Amino acid sequence: QVDLVQSGAEVKKPGASVKVSCKASGYTFTGYYMHWVRQAPGQGLEWMGWINPKTGGTNYAQKFQGRVTMTRDTSISTAYMELRRLTSDDTALYYCARDPVGDSTYWGQGTLVTVSS
Amino acid sequence: QSVLTQPPSLSAAPGQKVTISCSGSSSNIGNNFVSWYQHLPGTAPRLLIYDNNKRPSGIPDRFSGSKSGTSATLGIAGLQTGDEADYYCGTWDSSLSAVVFGGGTKVTVL
Repeated sequence: QVDLVQSGAEVKKPGASVKVSCKASGYTFTGYYMHWVRQAPGQGLEWMGWINPKTGGTNYAQKFQGRVTMTRDTSISTAYMELRRLTSDDTALYYCARDPVGDSTYWGQGTLVTVSS
Repeated sequence: QSVLTQPPSLSAAPGQKVTISCSGSSSNIGNNFVSWYQHLPGTAPRLLIYDNNKRPSGIPDRFSGSKSGTSATLGIAGLQTGDEADYYCGTWDSSLSAVVFGGGTKVTVL
């Protein structure tokens, strides 16, 4: 069965970076784009971008351009999302999601990132 | 400010039906399929509807979806206390080249 397992919770100071991983299993990793979506406390779902695991090509939401990098390691079927120059506004639950608006969607369990001094 | 517009909250008694609207534009809902999610805080969103009106296996037929023009609707019939959650619509936006979501609708069962 398809499973997306994310790395554990992180606590970071303002200005730092965070890198969240998402290990895929149960399907061909390179066959589906991987998206990243976050939800800040009391807020809705916010799409951050996607990576094509086959080519490494990326597409980032304009809001995160220049501050986010999505990468992958096909040898271990793992996608990564790194967010830099963190502020308190980046405190959120971060999800990886396969095909989030399609018919073959699967989501990770979420990774809580807390930014606090 | 979300690209897709949903009512912030709705409430109804057990057994009643609620309909949640999702309004967009020609660059998103008007020309792309819509999905609907049920989301409980701290958990992964659960797909209820994809391709405007299709239900994944395991989703009860109490949940239904429709689309007309640049708006979509999620219906929840026979409301149960377990349906209390946040509901989101989502789709692709061809102009933004981005996935867009509604702001979410909190459903309360009275």
